[in-house]
Amino acid sequence: ETGVTQTPRHLVMGMTNKKSLKCEQHLGHNAMYWYKQSAKKPLELMFVYNFKEQTENNSVPSRFSPECPNSSHLFLHLHTLQPEDSALYLCASSQGSGGSYNEQFFGPGTRLTVL
Amino acid sequence: SQQGEEDPQALSIQEGENATMNCSYKTSINNLQWYRQNSGRGLVHLILIRSNEREKHSGRLRVTLDTSKKSSSLLITASRAADTASYFCATVFNNDMRFGAGTRLTVKP
Repeated sequence: ETGVTQTPRHLVMGMTNKKSLKCEQHLGHNAMYWYKQSAKKPLELMFVYNFKEQTENNSVPSRFSPECPNSSHLFLHLHTLQPEDSALYLCASSQGSGGSYNEQFFGPGTRLTVL
Repeated sequence: SQQGEEDPQALSIQEGENATMNCSYKTSINNLQWYRQNSGRGLVHLILIRSNEREKHSGRLRVTLDTSKKSSSLLITASRAADTASYFCATVFNNDMRFGAGTRLTVKP
């Protein structure tokens, strides 16, 4: 256990559905991240939150909408996704972001399949 | 690009042998990190090496960094079947952290 939990672990949704991914960290960290991991591609950083404020949005389509209500929780709201959005979505946290990243702690991921 | 590129893409060895994975990058870095990922799971941090460091050890892991060649290597000594996983390097520069595509290591019992 890394101290970062993600729910659900698996999700199958249609292109017209709306769903949300949840991430929670129990480490007292102030930075949280969403990553997308597709087969045979490098891990893609999607969003970064530092002290609840979004500090990075790496040109992610608007069908992905993040929410960070506090430093311990991070959501990724999904709507009208495409089949190519099927991937493993990983949440991570760290103590501090900016300057030089420290070690990141990852959750187990949500395996998303879009039909 | 800043993103690290691991080499080889896949590596298969026998238990007890050493495994060496390499990471090359093209820009400046503040630090370089190695992570491990078991199939379909999250990444686990292994070692962070700063740009002014040349070598670090952690148990059976040894990481080297050559900033003049813009490369790093991860050595796993006396490998075990449980070391089977994908290994990623991540380069960090200012606010940016980028992962490579990884090396898939298989250790046969």
